[in-house]
Amino acid sequence: DGGITQSPKYLFRKEGQNVTLSCEQNLNHDAMYWYRQDPGQGLRLIYYSQIVNDFQKGDIAEGYSVSREKKESFPLTVTSAQKNPTAFYLCASRPGRRMNTGELFFGEGSRLTVL
Amino acid sequence: RKEVEQDPGPFNVPEGATVAFNCTYSNSASQSFFWYRQDCRKEPKLLMSVYSSGNEDGRFTAQLNRASQYISLLIRDSKLSDSATYLCVVTPGGYNKLIFGAGTRLAVHP
Repeated sequence: DGGITQSPKYLFRKEGQNVTLSCEQNLNHDAMYWYRQDPGQGLRLIYYSQIVNDFQKGDIAEGYSVSREKKESFPLTVTSAQKNPTAFYLCASRPGRRMNTGELFFGEGSRLTVL
Repeated sequence: RKEVEQDPGPFNVPEGATVAFNCTYSNSASQSFFWYRQDCRKEPKLLMSVYSSGNEDGRFTAQLNRASQYISLLIRDSKLSDSATYLCVVTPGGYNKLIFGAGTRLAVHP
């Protein structure tokens, strides 16, 4: 079945440690996104990528880094510079502009807790 | 002012009730509008797109008012399974970014 797979689902990290969240899609989508969700807030865009080897900062990119070496993969690294990393992280994708209905396809999310 | 604003609720309604949510957006150049549904601790899923002329999908009706810069979602004959958070989503220009509202929580009780 086609879809987006995020791992791990739950992750605990000590302060000062970097952690990488995996996002893989087999939908052949061009664009991929990382969002962060905190209680009572909407999803906030961290980074997005419209094409391999290219990505742009979203609204809250500080303390995060990404790479897009393959079309299928868009990992997110939460660095020790991110001051409040405990959150629910959602990866999403959608087709290129030609097939674009505006619908985002989300993974099941990764819940990161910093101890 | 937030780009997309929603009443957080919760809206507590009995089964069979009709309930409506509004969502306002600040960017008059916004082009596309959507309602997503998010169950507790799950990922959001597209419920429906919102078209200029309004559109209906079963018990759900979405409307757009460009002059007043808001979209609405009407749910008729509420079911217990409609309990969720409903997210308003706007694309300010093009399809590169989607802006999410914080969501309106709906609780349908027997």
